[in-house]
Amino acid sequence: AQSVAQPEDQVNVAEGNPLTVKCTYSVSGNPYLFWYVQYPNRGLQFLLKYITGDNLVKGSYGFEAEFNKSQTSFHLKKPSALVSDSALYFCAVRDHSGYSTLTFGKGTMLLVSP
Amino acid sequence: NAGVTQTPKFQVLKTGQSMTLQCAQDMNHEYMSWYRQDPGMGLRLIHYSVGAGITDQGEVPNGYNVSRSTTEDFPLRLLSAAPSQTSVYFCASSYSMSGELFFGEGSRLTVL
Repeated sequence: AQSVAQPEDQVNVAEGNPLTVKCTYSVSGNPYLFWYVQYPNRGLQFLLKYITGDNLVKGSYGFEAEFNKSQTSFHLKKPSALVSDSALYFCAVRDHSGYSTLTFGKGTMLLVSP
Repeated sequence: NAGVTQTPKFQVLKTGQSMTLQCAQDMNHEYMSWYRQDPGMGLRLIHYSVGAGITDQGEVPNGYNVSRSTTEDFPLRLLSAAPSQTSVYFCASSYSMSGELFFGEGSRLTVL
């Protein structure tokens, strides 16, 4: 069975500093990997995805993520955090089979202080 | 472009009552799904559909029913509400199972 681990319930960072939100996964074969963001009382919004190809994926709002196959990780990064980046972030994975569904991690709350 | 529309946004039920959460999308997406979000548990898949007339169970299907008679609509039915079904429910759609999901704004359900 596929699974996602987000080891940190919360990440605190000061505005202007780089941020990393960690994600590791377990899946049979090659993964599809996604990051979503959820602002308070809103639905989830897609940030970026890895399907194949370059290990560094760039997404919305200046976020990027690095796929590391040997470490089965897909950490979300941003060079300079903004207060407006404060939100709940979810990593998700599925395999490449025809009818595999998406499995989400438990989420990491990112708090960016002014 | 409305995207994914869920109704109602809030609902309070008594144990044993039934209700339907509505979901509609206007993007002509084949894939639609229902998730529930509970604190500390992330999102868990309830049911999904890969096209009109085709539905399947997800991780936590018990107590819920779905149907997909049109591409646009994917209602979620609670047959006999229980307090354990108190949650925030999200409908999501995608052009395919490998594509990114587009989420509705959520429906907050409280079962007393």
